[in-house]
Amino acid sequence: ELKVEQNPLFLSMQEGKNYTIYCNYSTTSDRLYWYRQDPGKSLESLFVLLSNGAVKQEGRLMASLDTKARLSTLHITAAVHDLSATYFCAVDAGNTPLVFGKGTRLSVIA
Amino acid sequence: DAGVIQSPRHEVTEMGQEVTLRCKPISGHDYLFWYRQTMMRGLELLIYFNNNVPIDDSGMPEDRFSAKMPNASFSTLKIQPSEPRDSAVYFCASSPVDFYEQYFGPGTRLTVT
Repeated sequence: ELKVEQNPLFLSMQEGKNYTIYCNYSTTSDRLYWYRQDPGKSLESLFVLLSNGAVKQEGRLMASLDTKARLSTLHITAAVHDLSATYFCAVDAGNTPLVFGKGTRLSVIA
Repeated sequence: DAGVIQSPRHEVTEMGQEVTLRCKPISGHDYLFWYRQTMMRGLELLIYFNNNVPIDDSGMPEDRFSAKMPNASFSTLKIQPSEPRDSAVYFCASSPVDFYEQYFGPGTRLTVT
Protein backbone atom coordinates (compact mmCIF):
# COMPACT_ATOMS: atom_id res chain seq x y z
CA GLU A 1 0.00 0.00 0.00
CA LEU A 2 1.37 3.36 -1.05
CA LYS A 3 1.91 5.79 1.80
CA VAL A 4 2.64 9.48 1.34
CA GLU A 5 4.07 11.55 4.15
CA GLN A 6 4.49 15.28 4.18
CA ASN A 7 6.46 17.31 6.62
CA PRO A 8 6.07 19.58 8.26
CA LEU A 9 2.30 19.52 8.61
CA PHE A 10 2.26 23.06 9.93
CA LEU A 11 4.68 25.79 8.99
CA SER A 12 4.77 29.36 10.14
CA MET A 13 7.38 31.43 8.40
CA GLN A 14 8.35 35.04 8.16
CA GLU A 15 8.05 37.01 4.99
CA GLY A 16 11.25 37.00 3.02
CA LYS A 17 12.50 33.69 4.38
CA ASN A 18 13.16 30.46 2.50
CA TYR A 19 11.82 27.05 3.43
CA THR A 20 11.27 23.57 2.03
CA ILE A 21 8.33 21.21 2.35
CA TYR A 22 9.09 17.51 1.98
CA CYS A 23 7.00 14.74 0.49
CA ASN A 24 8.15 11.14 1.00
CA TYR A 25 6.41 8.13 -0.48
CA SER A 26 6.77 4.42 0.11
CA THR A 27 6.65 2.67 -3.28
CA THR A 28 8.09 3.19 -6.72
CA SER A 29 6.53 6.01 -8.66
CA ASP A 30 7.70 8.56 -11.19
CA ARG A 31 4.62 10.78 -11.21
CA LEU A 32 3.97 13.26 -8.48
CA TYR A 33 1.71 16.28 -8.23
CA TRP A 34 1.59 19.33 -5.99
CA TYR A 35 -1.67 21.07 -5.20
CA ARG A 36 -2.53 24.25 -3.38
CA GLN A 37 -5.68 24.82 -1.35
CA ASP A 38 -6.65 28.25 -0.06
CA PRO A 39 -8.93 28.37 2.99
CA GLY A 40 -12.50 27.53 2.02
CA LYS A 41 -11.49 26.81 -1.56
CA SER A 42 -10.83 23.80 -3.73
CA LEU A 43 -7.55 22.15 -4.64
CA GLU A 44 -5.67 23.77 -7.48
CA SER A 45 -2.92 22.03 -9.42
CA LEU A 46 0.50 23.62 -9.01
CA PHE A 47 3.07 21.29 -10.47
CA VAL A 48 3.18 18.02 -12.38
CA LEU A 49 6.44 16.08 -12.03
CA LEU A 50 6.70 13.13 -14.40
CA SER A 51 10.26 11.84 -14.22
CA ASN A 52 13.29 11.50 -12.00
CA GLY A 53 15.09 14.79 -11.70
CA ALA A 54 12.11 16.83 -12.87
CA VAL A 55 12.14 20.40 -11.66
CA LYS A 56 9.34 22.91 -12.11
CA GLN A 57 9.29 26.52 -11.02
CA GLU A 58 6.65 29.17 -10.86
CA GLY A 59 7.28 32.42 -9.12
CA ARG A 60 8.61 31.82 -5.63
CA LEU A 61 7.82 28.09 -5.70
CA MET A 62 10.03 25.36 -7.05
CA ALA A 63 9.25 21.64 -6.99
CA SER A 64 11.58 18.74 -7.65
CA LEU A 65 11.34 14.98 -7.79
CA ASP A 66 13.92 12.34 -6.86
CA THR A 67 12.36 8.97 -7.66
CA LYS A 68 15.31 7.00 -6.34
CA ALA A 69 14.97 8.61 -2.93
CA ARG A 70 11.16 8.58 -3.25
CA LEU A 71 11.19 12.22 -2.32
CA SER A 72 9.78 15.44 -3.67
CA THR A 73 10.46 18.90 -2.32
CA LEU A 74 8.57 22.15 -2.62
CA HIS A 75 10.92 25.04 -2.03
CA ILE A 76 9.66 28.46 -1.12
CA THR A 77 11.90 31.43 -1.84
CA ALA A 78 11.46 34.78 -0.11
CA ALA A 79 7.99 33.95 1.16
CA VAL A 80 5.17 36.47 0.82
CA HIS A 81 1.79 36.51 2.53
CA ASP A 82 -0.01 35.43 -0.65
CA LEU A 83 1.65 32.03 -0.40
CA SER A 84 -0.27 31.23 2.79
CA ALA A 85 -2.28 28.10 1.98
CA THR A 86 -2.28 24.35 2.43
CA TYR A 87 -0.03 22.43 0.06
CA PHE A 88 -0.66 18.81 -0.82
CA CYS A 89 1.53 16.36 -2.66
CA ALA A 90 -0.10 13.42 -4.43
CA VAL A 91 1.62 10.34 -5.80
CA ASP A 92 0.59 8.19 -8.73
CA ALA A 93 1.38 4.50 -8.10
CA GLY A 94 0.36 3.51 -11.60
CA ASN A 95 -2.69 1.36 -11.12
CA THR A 96 -4.54 3.13 -8.34
CA PRO A 97 -5.86 6.64 -7.87
CA LEU A 98 -3.59 9.36 -6.57
CA VAL A 99 -2.64 9.03 -2.93
CA PHE A 100 -2.56 12.40 -1.20
CA GLY A 101 -0.40 13.49 1.70
CA LYS A 102 -2.07 15.10 4.71
CA GLY A 103 -1.08 18.56 3.54
CA THR A 104 1.22 21.24 4.89
CA ARG A 105 -0.54 24.30 6.24
CA LEU A 106 1.70 27.26 5.51
CA SER A 107 1.27 30.59 7.21
CA VAL A 108 3.46 33.48 6.13
CA ILE A 109 3.64 36.27 8.68
CA ALA A 110 5.05 39.75 8.46
CA ASP B 1 -14.00 24.39 -20.54
CA ALA B 2 -15.87 25.36 -17.40
CA GLY B 3 -14.00 22.87 -15.27
CA VAL B 4 -15.61 20.44 -12.87
CA ILE B 5 -19.01 21.68 -11.75
CA GLN B 6 -20.59 20.76 -8.45
CA SER B 7 -23.96 21.60 -6.97
CA PRO B 8 -25.11 22.72 -4.57
CA ARG B 9 -22.18 24.70 -3.20
CA HIS B 10 -23.66 24.70 0.28
CA GLU B 11 -26.20 22.38 1.82
CA VAL B 12 -27.67 22.54 5.29
CA THR B 13 -29.99 19.75 6.28
CA GLU B 14 -31.40 18.08 9.35
CA MET B 15 -30.32 14.73 10.59
CA GLY B 16 -32.23 11.93 8.93
CA GLN B 17 -32.85 13.75 5.68
CA GLU B 18 -31.64 12.58 2.30
CA VAL B 19 -28.87 14.60 0.68
CA THR B 20 -27.88 14.45 -2.98
CA LEU B 21 -24.68 16.04 -4.25
CA ARG B 22 -24.12 16.49 -7.96
CA CYS B 23 -21.08 16.65 -10.19
CA LYS B 24 -20.40 17.33 -13.84
CA PRO B 25 -16.86 16.31 -14.83
CA ILE B 26 -14.73 17.94 -17.49
CA SER B 27 -15.82 16.77 -20.91
CA GLY B 28 -13.66 13.95 -22.21
CA HIS B 29 -12.37 12.88 -18.82
CA ASP B 30 -12.82 9.17 -18.24
CA TYR B 31 -12.26 9.13 -14.50
CA LEU B 32 -14.40 10.67 -11.81
CA PHE B 33 -13.58 10.75 -8.11
CA TRP B 34 -15.56 11.69 -5.00
CA TYR B 35 -13.63 12.92 -1.95
CA ARG B 36 -14.60 14.05 1.51
CA GLN B 37 -12.52 16.55 3.46
CA THR B 38 -12.70 17.22 7.18
CA MET B 39 -10.31 18.78 9.64
CA MET B 40 -10.00 15.54 11.57
CA ARG B 41 -9.57 13.06 8.72
CA GLY B 42 -8.16 15.21 5.94
CA LEU B 43 -8.90 14.33 2.33
CA GLU B 44 -10.50 10.90 1.88
CA LEU B 45 -11.25 9.16 -1.40
CA LEU B 46 -14.78 7.76 -1.24
CA ILE B 47 -15.30 6.19 -4.65
CA TYR B 48 -14.11 6.50 -8.22
CA PHE B 49 -15.54 5.67 -11.62
CA ASN B 50 -13.93 4.78 -14.94
CA ASN B 51 -16.11 5.29 -18.00
CA ASN B 52 -19.17 5.57 -15.76
CA VAL B 53 -18.46 2.25 -14.00
CA PRO B 54 -17.70 2.26 -10.25
CA ILE B 55 -14.26 0.77 -9.79
CA ASP B 56 -13.52 1.07 -6.09
CA ASP B 57 -16.00 2.09 -3.41
CA SER B 58 -13.96 0.87 -0.46
CA GLY B 59 -13.73 4.41 0.86
CA MET B 60 -17.48 4.82 1.21
CA PRO B 61 -17.98 5.04 4.96
CA GLU B 62 -21.15 2.95 5.23
CA ASP B 63 -24.28 1.85 3.45
CA ARG B 64 -25.89 5.21 3.95
CA PHE B 65 -23.63 6.49 1.16
CA SER B 66 -24.22 5.64 -2.47
CA ALA B 67 -22.91 7.03 -5.74
CA LYS B 68 -24.01 6.72 -9.33
CA MET B 69 -22.77 7.85 -12.70
CA PRO B 70 -25.59 7.35 -15.21
CA ASN B 71 -23.63 8.96 -18.04
CA ALA B 72 -20.28 10.52 -18.82
CA SER B 73 -21.36 14.00 -17.83
CA PHE B 74 -23.12 13.47 -14.52
CA SER B 75 -22.59 11.81 -11.17
CA THR B 76 -24.38 11.91 -7.84
CA LEU B 77 -23.38 11.13 -4.30
CA LYS B 78 -26.32 10.40 -2.03
CA ILE B 79 -26.46 10.16 1.75
CA GLN B 80 -29.58 8.63 3.24
CA PRO B 81 -30.20 9.13 6.08
CA SER B 82 -27.75 11.92 6.86
CA GLU B 83 -26.05 12.27 10.24
CA PRO B 84 -24.18 15.18 11.86
CA ARG B 85 -20.88 13.34 11.42
CA ASP B 86 -21.37 13.53 7.67
CA SER B 87 -20.74 17.26 7.84
CA ALA B 88 -17.75 17.94 5.60
CA VAL B 89 -16.72 19.39 2.27
CA TYR B 90 -17.33 16.96 -0.56
CA PHE B 91 -15.19 17.34 -3.67
CA CYS B 92 -15.64 15.83 -7.07
CA ALA B 93 -12.60 15.53 -9.33
CA SER B 94 -12.02 14.22 -12.82
CA SER B 95 -9.01 13.16 -14.84
CA PRO B 96 -8.34 12.11 -18.41
CA VAL B 97 -7.33 8.64 -19.57
CA ASP B 98 -5.19 6.75 -17.08
CA PHE B 99 -4.50 7.91 -13.56
CA TYR B 100 -3.17 11.37 -14.11
CA GLU B 101 -3.53 14.85 -12.72
CA GLN B 102 -6.93 15.33 -11.15
CA TYR B 103 -8.99 18.48 -11.61
CA PHE B 104 -11.12 19.35 -8.63
CA GLY B 105 -14.51 20.99 -8.50
CA PRO B 106 -15.31 23.81 -6.08
CA GLY B 107 -16.77 21.43 -3.51
CA THR B 108 -20.05 21.16 -1.64
CA ARG B 109 -20.01 22.19 1.99
CA LEU B 110 -22.50 19.96 3.79
CA THR B 111 -23.77 20.73 7.26
CA VAL B 112 -26.05 18.24 8.97
CA THR B 113 -27.72 19.55 12.11
